[in-house]
Amino acid sequence: GESVGLHLPTLSVQEGDNSIINCAYSNSASDYFIWYKQESGKGPQFIIDIRSNMDKRQGQRVTVLLNKTVKHLSLQIAATQPGDSAVYFCAENPVLGGSEKLVFGKGTKLTVNP
Amino acid sequence: GAGVSQSPSNKVTEKGKDVELRCDPISGHTALYWYRQSLGQGLEFLIYFQGNSAPDKSGLPSDRFSAERTGGSVSTLTIQRTQQEDSAVYLCASSLVPGTGAEKLFFGSGTQLSVL
Repeated sequence: GESVGLHLPTLSVQEGDNSIINCAYSNSASDYFIWYKQESGKGPQFIIDIRSNMDKRQGQRVTVLLNKTVKHLSLQIAATQPGDSAVYFCAENPVLGGSEKLVFGKGTKLTVNP
Repeated sequence: GAGVSQSPSNKVTEKGKDVELRCDPISGHTALYWYRQSLGQGLEFLIYFQGNSAPDKSGLPSDRFSAERTGGSVSTLTIQRTQQEDSAVYLCASSLVPGTGAEKLFFGSGTQLSVL
């Protein structure tokens, strides 16, 4: 069935280090993936997305990697800053142009220590 | 407005009462979504609107939950005879027309519902 999960519920890093947040998905038909950042008391905020015809996409200080062979998604944050502390969710869309229902994982809480 | 607006931001109600949660999507966004987030959990899909129609309402947990959208804009999520397990943050999101490569959702800040 459709499900998106995360390997680690929490991650603690030092300011300036690189962070890697992982996500496993189970629906091989999923063709679109998104990472969201959610700060306390706020709604999720879009970070970066990737389609299944790509294996890597870079943004500002963030990189998303997609490994379709093992159905694994990761978010890399370079030079992590205190403002990056939040819960990070991966989400998948199993059908392009369909109901556009995003299936979310449970999230990883990232804590950046000064 | 500039973003997705939800009201109220907090709602405390007694078990058995009905509640209405409101969502104002981003102007021009035809797709609207409701999600529910329990404490420390991920987002649970409830219902999706395209215009005023709801092609996917598969996530509504029971017939106590209903939603409508009028004028292709504002949406209301209604929970009847609330139960304690309904306590959660209810998030609304909107996006441009699906299938155009603009599937990413823009979320509001949510309504924190507490059922006593």
